[in-house]
Amino acid sequence: SQQGEEDPQALSIQEGENATMNCSYKTSINNLQWYRQNSGRGLVHLILIRSNEREKHSGRLRVTLDTSKKSSSLLITASRAADTASYFCASANSGYSTLTFGKGTMLLVSP
Amino acid sequence: NAGVTQTPKFQVLKTGQSMTLQCAQDMNHNSMYWYRQDPGMGLRLIYYSASEGTTDKGEVPNGYNVSRLNKREFSLRLESAAPSQTSVYFCASLGTGSRSEQFFGPGTRLTVL
Repeated sequence: SQQGEEDPQALSIQEGENATMNCSYKTSINNLQWYRQNSGRGLVHLILIRSNEREKHSGRLRVTLDTSKKSSSLLITASRAADTASYFCASANSGYSTLTFGKGTMLLVSP
Repeated sequence: NAGVTQTPKFQVLKTGQSMTLQCAQDMNHNSMYWYRQDPGMGLRLIYYSASEGTTDKGEVPNGYNVSRLNKREFSLRLESAAPSQTSVYFCASLGTGSRSEQFFGPGTRLTVL
């Protein structure tokens, strides 16, 4: 079964606005990762946050992790039309042999 | 570096036919993975190989077999295709050292009629 669940399933915003996506997971993790997928393409890694970290930044991306609530959020600031894509969270188990992906959030950024 | 490559890009099969999806990576990664992606379902792990010579089942292995031919190549075989196997298939490899992310191929879009 899918461990990660993203919320919302779809998000539509204007350029310049911020986009926030949430993810929940069910079991203990080694790390949690966020990936992006443009239509018809493979996934591209965006950012990784380890289980002992609470917040991480990379450019316009900010990820938070709350292990007590088993949840994470991805914030994209000052969004651009080029950010239009699907975003997936993926949790790595304690041994990190595999990732469990959520169902994704489809983000549409309108010019 | 080409990264992770997959062939073919598209395939149409009839029910009962067999085929092998090929995957190769040139990043000297130990672990490789096969996923399927269906609408509204995210990615589900079919099989993975933690190292050359080993393979393990993922969440949805039924109807599939895999071969880790060498460190570079990891193939996925459908022995008798079924319409339920219509999906987009992605291969990935796992970064080493401080790079703990997975690197994905472009995918194979498979339709089983």
